[in-house]
Amino acid sequence: QKEVEQNSGPLSVPEGAIASLNCTYSDRGSQSFFWYRQYSGKSPELIMFIYSNGDKEDGRFTAQLNKASQYVSLLIRDSQPSDSATYLCAANYGGSQGNLIFGKGTKLSVKP
Amino acid sequence: NAGVTQTPKFRILKIGQSMTLQCAQDMNHNYMYWYRQDPGMGLKLIYYSVGAGITDKGEVPNGYNVSRSTTEDFPLRLELAAPSQTSVYFCASSYTTGSGQPQHFGDGTRLSIL
Repeated sequence: QKEVEQNSGPLSVPEGAIASLNCTYSDRGSQSFFWYRQYSGKSPELIMFIYSNGDKEDGRFTAQLNKASQYVSLLIRDSQPSDSATYLCAANYGGSQGNLIFGKGTKLSVKP
Repeated sequence: NAGVTQTPKFRILKIGQSMTLQCAQDMNHNYMYWYRQDPGMGLKLIYYSVGAGITDKGEVPNGYNVSRSTTEDFPLRLELAAPSQTSVYFCASSYTTGSGQPQHFGDGTRLSIL
């Protein structure tokens, strides 16, 4: 069964620190990976995607992918209270449908 | 710049009633999806569509039906509502399924079955 695992948290970091969010996936056939941010009561919004091994940076966010270890992470530098949300990791397990398998999400709390 | 529009935003149903959750997108996306999200859980795929006239089951299709008569619309039908269907329902769409193609989500429909 295809699964995406995340630590549910909550992960609490002080303002200005680096928040590190982790995700593992079970299907080696997964091709691309997405990080969504979801504020309480709101819909998921895409932060970043990655499909090549290594790091991908976008502003304060860095996504890291290690296909050999089946591991994806999201680093948030200079964390702000506005980053407090649940972060969902999703894996595209390929095929023509482009279906995503979502993890349960990690709740991040950034303390001022 | 509407994107993915879902109606209604909130609904309370009685057990055994039926209803249709509406979803429309104006981005000319081929692929559309319906998810449900229970408290503290991730998103579970109910049904998806790869184009008008083509639909298929996802992970949790029981108790639901869909149709896709146009590229823009992808309604989700609940027949004989049950308390287990109390959830937040999200509709999403994407242009293609190539690497890096994100799914864009609507604002959700919060449904309670009492």
